[in-house]
Amino acid sequence: GAGVSQTPSNKVTEKGKYVELRCDPISGHTALYWYRQSLGQGPEFLIYFQGTGAADDSGLPNDRFFAVRPEGSVSTLKIQRTERGDSAVYLCASSLSGTGTAQYFGPGTRLLVL
Amino acid sequence: SQQGEEDPQALSIQEGENATMNCSYKTSINNLQWYRQNSGRGLVHLILIRSNEREKHSGRLRVTLDTSKKSSSLLITASRAADTASYFCATDDGGYNKLIFGAGTRLAVHP
Repeated sequence: GAGVSQTPSNKVTEKGKYVELRCDPISGHTALYWYRQSLGQGPEFLIYFQGTGAADDSGLPNDRFFAVRPEGSVSTLKIQRTERGDSAVYLCASSLSGTGTAQYFGPGTRLLVL
Repeated sequence: SQQGEEDPQALSIQEGENATMNCSYKTSINNLQWYRQNSGRGLVHLILIRSNEREKHSGRLRVTLDTSKKSSSLLITASRAADTASYFCATDDGGYNKLIFGAGTRLAVHP
């Protein structure tokens, strides 16, 4: 594809519900990242995949958050028992493998937990 | 935790003027990147400068890096209304691919 795509673009859910956010990276990019951005702040790192494996999940805030990338391409970020504090824009990015390459971001999913 | 801090937090200029934004960071890095964000959605990669580089140009953008001071600057020359956006610097933490962002500079360019 031309760029990173994310679905849905907006998601409204109720406190306590389960949500899945999807990211489709640029074709050929082996590295994939999830970030979370709150209003007025810069993005905060959540998790980084190299291929199918999570190389660094140190940014996941707690065990309600989980992400997978089973075939090394599309990734899904899963949030269980959502809380109002989870409301944010969730951004996905991808890059060519190797340290120090530019990351290309998708348009984000705006999650609102009521 | 945030590594980079942009300065100023907000900048308002007229079209045609130059805009300078600064970024400071705390730890050793492999590279530093600048991104632009419109309307709080996807970030657009502008430029990447490696730790062994001191200056880099891309069109109307000029980035400098001073690793001894742990700081970088982004200069946009001859600004246009379309440059209105938030600008973020992002660094690695010296080892991995994850980026650590500052809170950004909100630039407003008035026609």
